[in-house]
Amino acid sequence: SQKIEQNSEALNIQEGKTATLTCNYTNYSPAYLQWYRQDPGRGPVFLLLIRENEKEKRKERLKVTFDTTLKQSLFHITASQPADSATYLCALDMDGYNKLIFGAGTRLAVHP
Amino acid sequence: GAVVSQHPSRVICKSGTSVKIECRSLDFQATTMFWYRQFPKKSLMLMATSNEGSKATYEQGVEKDKFLINHASLTLSTLTVTSAHPEDSSFYICSASGTGTNTEAFFGQGTRLTVV
Repeated sequence: SQKIEQNSEALNIQEGKTATLTCNYTNYSPAYLQWYRQDPGRGPVFLLLIRENEKEKRKERLKVTFDTTLKQSLFHITASQPADSATYLCALDMDGYNKLIFGAGTRLAVHP
Repeated sequence: GAVVSQHPSRVICKSGTSVKIECRSLDFQATTMFWYRQFPKKSLMLMATSNEGSKATYEQGVEKDKFLINHASLTLSTLTVTSAHPEDSSFYICSASGTGTNTEAFFGQGTRLTVV
């Protein structure tokens, strides 16, 4: 079955730096790979979606890359702010119908 | 973006009782809704797929008689935890999608269930 690994349990960075989060999966590539933000005690909030045939997607300070050869997605937050502190979840949508397989998430802490 | 409302946000119940959690799509018709469970510091685990007007599809290891799902309309799905036990205590989250592929999923705010 599909396994998803997200790097390190917590990532601490200084305000203004770029945060880079990693998502690796084991089996065949999904139709879509999605990134969500989750705050404590709340449901996930959609951030970005990238298709199997896309290499990179950007939205404001966010950038996602998708390498189906490496079976990896990287999620970047540039000019990070303390308000970006949250858990970031990688999710695989294998067939495009939003039946998602989630990674455990990476907790990001941005320090002033 | 679209809004999915989940109710209640927190519930405490006694062992042996049943609890119903509602998931509503407020401004779009959700042909499919998904129910997830999340334990502390763990990933969201899909429990079941709920399709309007048909029986839910449960993931392996999820007891359909314990977690009753009803999707009676295009805007409402309910999850009932029957005969709740302390090990059912968890964070339950629903998501809803519109028709077709390539549409993002919208998540409810989650329900924290504590069984005492």
